[in-house]
Amino acid sequence: SQQGEEDPQALSIQEGENATMNCSYKTSINNLQWYRQNSGRGLVHLILIRSNEREKHSGRLRVTLDTSKKSSSLLITASRAADTASYFCATDAYTDKLIFGTGTRLQVFP
Amino acid sequence: DGGITQSPKYLFRKEGQNVTLSCEQNLNHDAMYWYRQDPGQGLRLIYYSQIVNDFQKGDIAEGYSVSREKKESFPLTVTSAQKNPTAFYLCASSIQRGATNEKLFFGSGTQLSVL
Repeated sequence: SQQGEEDPQALSIQEGENATMNCSYKTSINNLQWYRQNSGRGLVHLILIRSNEREKHSGRLRVTLDTSKKSSSLLITASRAADTASYFCATDAYTDKLIFGTGTRLQVFP
Repeated sequence: DGGITQSPKYLFRKEGQNVTLSCEQNLNHDAMYWYRQDPGQGLRLIYYSQIVNDFQKGDIAEGYSVSREKKESFPLTVTSAQKNPTAFYLCASSIQRGATNEKLFFGSGTQLSVL
């Protein structure tokens, strides 16, 4: 089934640096969402970007969407140790369900 | 305090046993979902329901069953036919507006292990 693929699979950075992770998908979408998961916990919604939007901001998060390339990026600026988590993109492909990617594991060192 | 409650947090299944995972929400959401997550992997959709008394299979429904008798409850049964049930199970809900998926609210998960 259609699925987003995140890149890189894992990312390690120092506190204060920016973290960028990418998501590619296969078919047209209505919207794309990013979620965060702390180890052993449920996912938390971060941001939703619709297919007619190109960029969206929420606090230290910036999401871009390029529908021509079928890709999205999530930028976390001025990372903190508390940002350590896995980050997932999810797409709907104009269906009634969300399909999740395999995630990027972000480690932020103090 | 609104949200989604999953129970139990940890569950152990014996050979040939059916087990049921509970999921309750008080967000008044129409849609509810069950996902399975294996270590280091993404989420795979097991079943979902957009309205009471109706549900659809996801990508990996074999060996699982669900019911949706009440809007706030969507229990998942892992049957003995599921030969590899060890995983982290996540329940979620959302407002459903036509074919548009709004954001999902997740429970804290149930870790199922085989004895």
